[in-house]
Amino acid sequence: ETGVTQTPRHLVMGMTNKKSLKCEQHLGHNAMYWYKQSAKKPLELMFVYNFKEQTENNSVPSRFSPECPNSSHLFLHLHTLQPEDSALYLCASSQDRDRGYGYTFGSGTRLTVV
Amino acid sequence: KNQVEQSPQSLIILEGKNCTLQCNYTVSPFSNLRWYKQDTGRGPVSLTIMTFSENTKSNGRYTATLDADTKQSSLHITASQLSDSASYICVVTGGGNKLTFGTGTQLKVEL
Repeated sequence: ETGVTQTPRHLVMGMTNKKSLKCEQHLGHNAMYWYKQSAKKPLELMFVYNFKEQTENNSVPSRFSPECPNSSHLFLHLHTLQPEDSALYLCASSQDRDRGYGYTFGSGTRLTVV
Repeated sequence: KNQVEQSPQSLIILEGKNCTLQCNYTVSPFSNLRWYKQDTGRGPVSLTIMTFSENTKSNGRYTATLDADTKQSSLHITASQLSDSASYICVVTGGGNKLTFGTGTQLKVEL
């Protein structure tokens, strides 16, 4: 394990469902990130949290709603998703946003929208 | 525009053979360059990280090189094993700690 834990590992949901992805890190990091990885595309940064505050939202549709209750936990709430949202969602953490020391990824959640 | 291009897109080699993966980038300013290994359905795992002043770094059978003048990097895998089958991603960190990702090279090692 890398120290960044994501649950669930796999998720299948209908377009009308509401679900949440969870990320937890025990590395003492203060920055946490959500990425989307689609087939044959580079990783796309979605959201950045630094010391629990959202510092970046890269034009992500509102059907994705992040939540960061503390520096160790990050959630991605999902609702009314589309089939094209099917992808591997990766969480990462680093020391803080300006210092990328220890940049570490979780194992990801494979999301399928049906 | 900051970009990272990797080649080849995919590669098949026989077990025990060596191979070299390439990464060219246009990211500026430059902070560091990382190579990650990503097994299917898993998150990327860091192999090496190099700053401007480093031109080679090894991690077991993996050796990365960096030429900051030509903005090129390579990852050399020695004596490949079946477990080396994965996607290898080049990531360049630029100003403001922003990461630019390549699309990866998909390596398959066969018997």
